[in-house]
Amino acid sequence: QKEVEQNSGPLSVPEGAIASLNCTYSDRVSQSFFWYRQYSGKSPELIMSIYSNGDKEDGRFTAQLNKASQYVSLLIRDSQPSDSATYLCAFNFGNEKLTFGTGTRLTIIP
Amino acid sequence: ETGVTQTPRHLVMGMTNKKSLKCEQHLGHNAMYWYKQSAKKPLELMFVYNFKEQTENNSVPSRFSPECPNSSHLFLHLHTLQPEDSALYLCASSQQRATGELFFGEGSRLTVL
Repeated sequence: QKEVEQNSGPLSVPEGAIASLNCTYSDRVSQSFFWYRQYSGKSPELIMSIYSNGDKEDGRFTAQLNKASQYVSLLIRDSQPSDSATYLCAFNFGNEKLTFGTGTRLTIIP
Repeated sequence: ETGVTQTPRHLVMGMTNKKSLKCEQHLGHNAMYWYKQSAKKPLELMFVYNFKEQTENNSVPSRFSPECPNSSHLFLHLHTLQPEDSALYLCASSQQRATGELFFGEGSRLTVL
């Protein structure tokens, strides 16, 4: 079983709608969860971190963590064309290795 | 300069060449990392340095040789690479080791002929 499962997409969402991105992880003691955004030809950029169950909001972004079900989600409200990018989820299982998903390519359609 | 800078941005080398990638961080962080990013694969951690001491070698072939002379500089020395080593090599730094809050450089795109 893969440690991190992430739908590679592509995911297309109309401008102004809510984009929903999901990641599931294997049955390990996960402590920290992160979402990175990577524009084409650029490096990953941290946009959200979440450490406890529930929701964490930052502007138009909301991270949701459910440790019992072993998934983390990223919601992007009022999607903009500038949100078009690949979104990487990452988990820190308590060691030095930050484990990344393969990324979901998101396209916001004007 | 600010953030994490990597040079060169693009590199083409033959399998018998020796080259080096350089990374410098201006964030005052204590940990630095080398990651490899290949198409359709997750980011792969290669090496971790904490206070310029190597703390992680993720089973990386010896044709990749890291060097960390101080907490701000990180090198990746390359020799006798294979075509499958062609990838984007990303340097990152973090305030502390074992945190997921990484700051990445723009990467060095390596092509091995």
